[in-house]
Amino acid sequence: DIQMTQSPSTLSASVGDRVTITCRASQGIRNDLGWFQQRPGKAPKRLIYAASTLESGVASRFSGSGSGTHFTLTISSLQPEDFATYYCLQHSGYPRTFGQGTKVEIK
Amino acid sequence: QIHLVQSGGEVKKPGASVKVSCKVSGYTFRDYGISWVRQAPGQGLEWLGWISAQFGNTNYAQKFEGRVTMTRDTSTSTAYMELRSLRSDDTAFYYCARDVDIVTATTTALDYWGQGTLVTVSS
Repeated sequence: DIQMTQSPSTLSASVGDRVTITCRASQGIRNDLGWFQQRPGKAPKRLIYAASTLESGVASRFSGSGSGTHFTLTISSLQPEDFATYYCLQHSGYPRTFGQGTKVEIK
Repeated sequence: QIHLVQSGGEVKKPGASVKVSCKVSGYTFRDYGISWVRQAPGQGLEWLGWISAQFGNTNYAQKFEGRVTMTRDTSTSTAYMELRSLRSDDTAFYYCARDVDIVTATTTALDYWGQGTLVTVSS
């Protein structure tokens, strides 16, 4: 199985900060990676697919990069509505595997 | 508009079974697969398995092999997930999500989600 190691597990930041979350795959997954945002009590919402393509309607302050085994999600200027938990997901094969999640908290 | 609508919450006793449904609309059901994901209270996301809506073949996470069965009804565009021999640590929100199949691009993996179904296992 492909393991996804996501870091950090918690991130404290202020509105306006630039934040970066990292996911590393235990083996190459090309760009078969998505990033998801989950707010409390809600279903996950996909923000980015194919490692770097923004979902329609998602704010341009979100961006993704990477290929192979190293991936990043960057929020260029944190907004109040961005305080949530973020997950990466690899779908290169089965089983699908998620990163452990990163909770973005208000500093 | 694409929607995945799940059945309501369930309370089960240890050892029982639960069957959660996921009715889709807004796209051709047979063209995609469905993955099931769960989230225990305060925990991360855990993938349970996938079913092809077209062919009905499945792929389960090893952890759930022998305890989970995923099926679908193409006449009603509904997918089902049954989990047996429930334990207290199966208490979680269970989500269905659209996933890929043979004819669909990999970029559609888990692009749309249901609202979640809370399954509570308690004696």
